[in-house]
Amino acid sequence: DAGVTQSPTHLIKTRGQQVTLRCSPKSGHDTVSWYQQALGQGPQFIFQYYEEEERQRGNFPDRFSGHQFPNYSSELNVNALLLGDSALYLCASSLAVEISTDTQYFGPGTRLTVL
Amino acid sequence: DQQVKQNSPSLSVQEGRISILNCDYTNSMFDYFLWYKKYPAEGPTFLISISSIKDKNEDGRFTVFLNKSAKHLSLHIVPSQPGDSAVYFCAASGINFNKFYFGSGTKLNVKP
Repeated sequence: DAGVTQSPTHLIKTRGQQVTLRCSPKSGHDTVSWYQQALGQGPQFIFQYYEEEERQRGNFPDRFSGHQFPNYSSELNVNALLLGDSALYLCASSLAVEISTDTQYFGPGTRLTVL
Repeated sequence: DQQVKQNSPSLSVQEGRISILNCDYTNSMFDYFLWYKKYPAEGPTFLISISSIKDKNEDGRFTVFLNKSAKHLSLHIVPSQPGDSAVYFCAASGINFNKFYFGSGTKLNVKP
């Protein structure tokens, strides 16, 4: 079992560009959540996908969008990048109808640097 | 809004002694809590959890205590080992939240 995988590992972009991050959930998991972890802070919830639909969203602007594919993998897209978008982006997967009481398994993250 | 707070950014402990990491929350609707450990260049790894129907959960060297009236939980590591050196995050959720709120983390350094 490969666990949760994310690609790429590192990414450097310039302001105004667009970026796509990818996540493959742990085998058997059907729910994917995305988090942003800025330096010195804890992970902040961006959104969650289940059955290819966004089920829950945190306090992030519409520049952040996502997608879940039939194989449960997911993408996070960020448009019009700002310097403040520089962070570690974490993907977490789980298998639960009631996500709030299930353990989420995290990937290693994608380190995004916006110059 | 910072609904989960870890007020100690760092903690240094001697090997073999007890490490106590603290976490406070503000939302009384939270009823499920977790601790994650994070090494550099890795994602957070689940460590231990506790639901609000309990006030203690133990797993080997790790014990989590929950004080609902104080909205406070703590993670005890006994005995501490150098391999425990990492950043520890507490997280909280509740029925129908469908997401977790994380604290800002405490960096634990266990000295040999």
